[in-house]
Amino acid sequence: GAGVSQSPSNKVTEKGKDVELRCDPISGHTALYWYRQSLGQGLEFLIYFQGNSAPDKSGLPSDRFSAERTGGSVSTLTIQRTQQEDSAVYLCASSLGSFNEQFFGPGTRLTVL
Amino acid sequence: QQQVKQSPQSLIVQKGGISIINCAYENTAFDYFPWYQQFPGKGPALLIAIRPDVSEKKEGRFTISFNKSAKQFSLHIMDSQPGDSATYFCAARGGADGLTFGKGTHLIIQP
Repeated sequence: GAGVSQSPSNKVTEKGKDVELRCDPISGHTALYWYRQSLGQGLEFLIYFQGNSAPDKSGLPSDRFSAERTGGSVSTLTIQRTQQEDSAVYLCASSLGSFNEQFFGPGTRLTVL
Repeated sequence: QQQVKQSPQSLIVQKGGISIINCAYENTAFDYFPWYQQFPGKGPALLIAIRPDVSEKKEGRFTISFNKSAKQFSLHIMDSQPGDSATYFCAARGGADGLTFGKGTHLIIQP
């Protein structure tokens, strides 16, 4: 069956450019999460969407980060004016509901030169 | 978010041995404690999870031990196999929210 998919799998960009990362959750999953995994670090929670409710943005590291979820399905994480410290693997997860197991996608590896 | 502290950072175990990874947390509001396994180039996958109303949960070769008073929990991998070589993350969550992860343990099982 189809799992969580993310695109692109790799993204190399120059400092100062904007990037968009896409996440397609498992069909029927109402909750969607974004995490960031830096080298040698654990996963850092960024933002959470439950259905059509306003997202919990408390984990976003700066105002250069934003995310949206259209129609309760696909989500896009946007990073504006990228910095070298934004280089990381960005992981998306979805779950059937807020209290269910989270299934992770393969991630997008972002490199900011 | 409150931190979850994980140790050791790396671990080498002989095939057939027991691998033990420990985690500690501070936030008493946490009520769900999963362990994830991650292979290179892949996203984490849920291995086993526990809630604080039980002290132990076993699934096959994998066991979680939970000590609520000490705010600690651990993963035991019995009869460790080379295929278990991966990075393991403990995590915790309170309510409907994102998971708070430990920094991971790189486990190597030597044949």
